[in-house]
Amino acid sequence: AQKVTQAQTEISVVEKEDVTLDCVYETRDTTYYLFWYKQPPSGELVFLIRRNSFDEQNEISGRYSWNFQKSTSSFNFTITASQVVDSAVYFCALSDGDDKIIFGKGTRLHILP
Amino acid sequence: KAGVTQTPRYLIKTRGQQVTLSCSPISGHRSVSWYQQTPGQGLQFLFEYFSETQRNKGNFPGRFSGRQFSNSRSEMNVSTLELGDSALYLCASSPEQFARSYEQYFGPGTRLTVT
Repeated sequence: AQKVTQAQTEISVVEKEDVTLDCVYETRDTTYYLFWYKQPPSGELVFLIRRNSFDEQNEISGRYSWNFQKSTSSFNFTITASQVVDSAVYFCALSDGDDKIIFGKGTRLHILP
Repeated sequence: KAGVTQTPRYLIKTRGQQVTLSCSPISGHRSVSWYQQTPGQGLQFLFEYFSETQRNKGNFPGRFSGRQFSNSRSEMNVSTLELGDSALYLCASSPEQFARSYEQYFGPGTRLTVT
């Protein structure tokens, strides 16, 4: 069965610190997709990244980077030099052959000035 | 391009009533998905529509239904409302079928409160 675990319910860091959000997934399929979404206080989820199971290359986009490791079934997200505007709830999601998308419970990130 | 719009933004209903929520996807997007977000259960997939056909459905009772029109606009309906239906209902659009494979663009949601 599909499962996405975001063990960190809430994290607080001081501005300019680096922070890593963990995501561990379970699936029996060999073809699947992983996503990260950001939900700021306004409530609208914003797409950050999509990764398919055959592409293990890590990605960097500005201050954001993602580490995909199939060996540990993890897809972690790092924010470098965090800013107050990064404060939000971050969701990791998985979709596989079931044609459904499963979201983790989310990690609420507080960036303190 | 305008983003995904949802109406109404807030709604208060009484147990036993029914409610219809509306979603207009991004222009050119033909796939629309609906999600329910609650503090307890998190984000849960309700259903996905593509070209007026329901492609997939989550594990929700039959009280939850939806439809999609020829212009890709979608509505979802909840009949015989229960207190547990209080939630933020999010609509998302995607340019392709099989929304699971593509990024989705979310609307601001409709906050439904059932009293």
